[in-house]
Amino acid sequence: DAGVTQSPTHLIKTRGQQVTLRCSPKSGHDTVSWYQQALGQGPQFIFQYYEEEERQRGNFPDRFSGHQFPNYSSELNVNALLLGDSALYLCASSQTGQSYEQYFGPGTRLTVT
Amino acid sequence: GQSLEQPSEVTAVEGAIVQINCTYQTSGFYGLSWYQQHDGGAPTFLSYNALDGLEETGRFSSFLSRSDSYGYLLLQELQMKDSASYFCAVRVSYNFNKFYFGSGTKLNVKP
Repeated sequence: DAGVTQSPTHLIKTRGQQVTLRCSPKSGHDTVSWYQQALGQGPQFIFQYYEEEERQRGNFPDRFSGHQFPNYSSELNVNALLLGDSALYLCASSQTGQSYEQYFGPGTRLTVT
Repeated sequence: GQSLEQPSEVTAVEGAIVQINCTYQTSGFYGLSWYQQHDGGAPTFLSYNALDGLEETGRFSSFLSRSDSYGYLLLQELQMKDSASYFCAVRVSYNFNKFYFGSGTKLNVKP
């Protein structure tokens, strides 16, 4: 049973560019949440997708957007990258209505130069 | 706003017991989770408390007092592999798994 997978593992981008990160949830899960984790900090909630719609959002600007596909996989898009966007981006999946437990992927390390 | 406070670092010796506290102030509370994260790794789920009291899972226990907006994670019989960061996280949505995380407590276990 595959767990949560994310791609790519590492990414280096330049200020002003755009980036797309991908996530495949654990088998049987229908909800995907995205988190940003700066070095030495806890994960910060970006948003959550369920039934291909954004259901919850944290305190992040509109430069952060996402999508969920019919197979429950998800993408996180960040436009107009800033140096402060450098962080580990984590995807977490869960089964809505059944479990409070979230399974995290290994993350994508984004560096903005 | 959301505020979760936990100590930044704790050191203990192998075989000892350590308690990591978490106090929170959030708009909405539906439960408190604890996650473990080793350096370079993904957070892994440890426990969840929706009601007051103590939950025990092997060497780890978690406690919640909703009236005090306070919880703790208790680790017994510490092992070297327990050296990691531990995060408390508050569930702020009833219908969806929306969590706010604390800044984490780095636990150093010494021989």
